[in-house]
Amino acid sequence: AQSVAQPEDQVNVAEGNPLTVKCTYSVSGNPYLFWYVQYPNRGLQFLLKYITGDNLVKGSYGFEAEFNKSQTSFHLKKPSALVSDSALYFCAVRDNWNDYKLSFGAGTTVTVRA
Amino acid sequence: DSGVTQTPKHLITATGQRVTLRCSPRSGDLSVYWYQQSLDQGLQFLIQYYNGEERAKGNILERFSAQQFPDLHSELNLSSLELGDSALYFCASSVDGQGYYNEQFFGPGTRLTVL
Repeated sequence: AQSVAQPEDQVNVAEGNPLTVKCTYSVSGNPYLFWYVQYPNRGLQFLLKYITGDNLVKGSYGFEAEFNKSQTSFHLKKPSALVSDSALYFCAVRDNWNDYKLSFGAGTTVTVRA
Repeated sequence: DSGVTQTPKHLITATGQRVTLRCSPRSGDLSVYWYQQSLDQGLQFLIQYYNGEERAKGNILERFSAQQFPDLHSELNLSSLELGDSALYFCASSVDGQGYYNEQFFGPGTRLTVL
C-alpha cells in the first residue's frame, strides 16, 4: 500500500521569506511523487514531479522540491514566498507496482502575509 | 485553464435521487480519473478509465458508477444519494494509463449538495 503524510495542517510565512511544505511518503516500490496546488473554488494545478534522476526538481511559479530517499521525504520549497502563493498544497504519490491510483496527502494550507 | 471541462459546476438535489456528472478530458488524453473531495475524507480516488475501459478502482461506493465513451468523455453516476455524498467531485485526465509518471490535469470540479 502507498500513503502520503503532510504533517502540518497550516504553514504561515511572511512575504519574501522562504517557504517549506513538508511531505513524507510510504510505498512498496519506486515512488513517483507529485505536488499540486489548489486555489479557492478551483481545481488542482500541477506544480512539479519527481520520477527519477536529480533529487532537486524545479517546477512552476518558482517552486522546487527535494527528494530524499533515506528520509522518504519530498518537501516543497520556494526561496521567497509571495502573497499569491497562499493556497492549499497537496503532495501525492504512486508507485511502480502496477498501481494506477494517485494517493494524496491531507493537504497543507499556506498563508503568506504581506 | 487545464483543458479539462466538467459540467455542471453546481448541483443541488435531494436524498435518494440520482445525478450524472460529466467530464471532457484534455485533447489527446486517454485516461480519465474521478476524485471526491470532502472535508472529512480529503481527496479520494474513485475510479480510472483508459480509452474506454475501467483501469483502476479506488474508494468508490457501489451506488456510484462511471463510464468512458468512444469520444473519451466520461460520466460519473451517483444514485440513491445520501447527505454524506455532498462533496466536490473532480475529474482529471492524463496522457496514458500505464505510465505512472504522467501528471494529471484537473477540471474545476462539480460541487454536489444533497439536501
